[in-house]
Amino acid sequence: DQQVKQNSPSLSVQEGRISILNCDYTNSMFDYFLWYKKYPAEGPTFLISISSIKDKNEDGRFTVFLNKSAKHLSLHIVPSQPGDSAVYFCAAKIQGAQKLVFGQGTRLTINP
Amino acid sequence: DTEVTQTPKHLVMGMTNKKSLKCEQHMGHRAMYWYKQKAKKPPELMFVYSYEKLSINESVPSRFSPECPNSSLLNLHLHALQPEDSALYLCASTRGFIGWGYTFGSGTRLTVV
Repeated sequence: DQQVKQNSPSLSVQEGRISILNCDYTNSMFDYFLWYKKYPAEGPTFLISISSIKDKNEDGRFTVFLNKSAKHLSLHIVPSQPGDSAVYFCAAKIQGAQKLVFGQGTRLTINP
Repeated sequence: DTEVTQTPKHLVMGMTNKKSLKCEQHMGHRAMYWYKQKAKKPPELMFVYSYEKLSINESVPSRFSPECPNSSLLNLHLHALQPEDSALYLCASTRGFIGWGYTFGSGTRLTVV
């Protein structure tokens, strides 16, 4: 049972434009959501997180939006840069639990 | 020091071998994790150590044996693995609250032959 789903395996965006990565979840007990970025041959790097009591969190070029009623979150990257090309994982934490559940990842390619 | 260091980066082992993966952090993080990631799949939690004590074992087969000798070091001992255990093994640590994000190591790419 995939509790965190990233339905787009890949996304291609032109440099300078907005990249929007999407994530859906099924478990209402998730209380924190996180986004990670992964380059080949490296471990995932934490980007940004959001509490389930908020609907938006912003950090520089990265903004995460949470729609609890739709059980959907998205990561916006503006403007997209070539260095943003990587695999992006959405992750969620169950309330009271000490672990993260990851989505399958979306490969983002930024084209010059 | 803001890194989690994993060694070795690559490991090839036979099904009768015994080997160990090592993970080290000097950030004062008190929770450490082992994750397994197969190709084109998300990372899957294996073990969690909190304050040097095993707090979560996600029903991992006994051929994987974790060890936390001190607050900076986490080992994963491997014995009698199967080819399907070939994967990227990731170590991570957190200061405490997971909502602040893990710090991951670069992983050990394990191949069982």
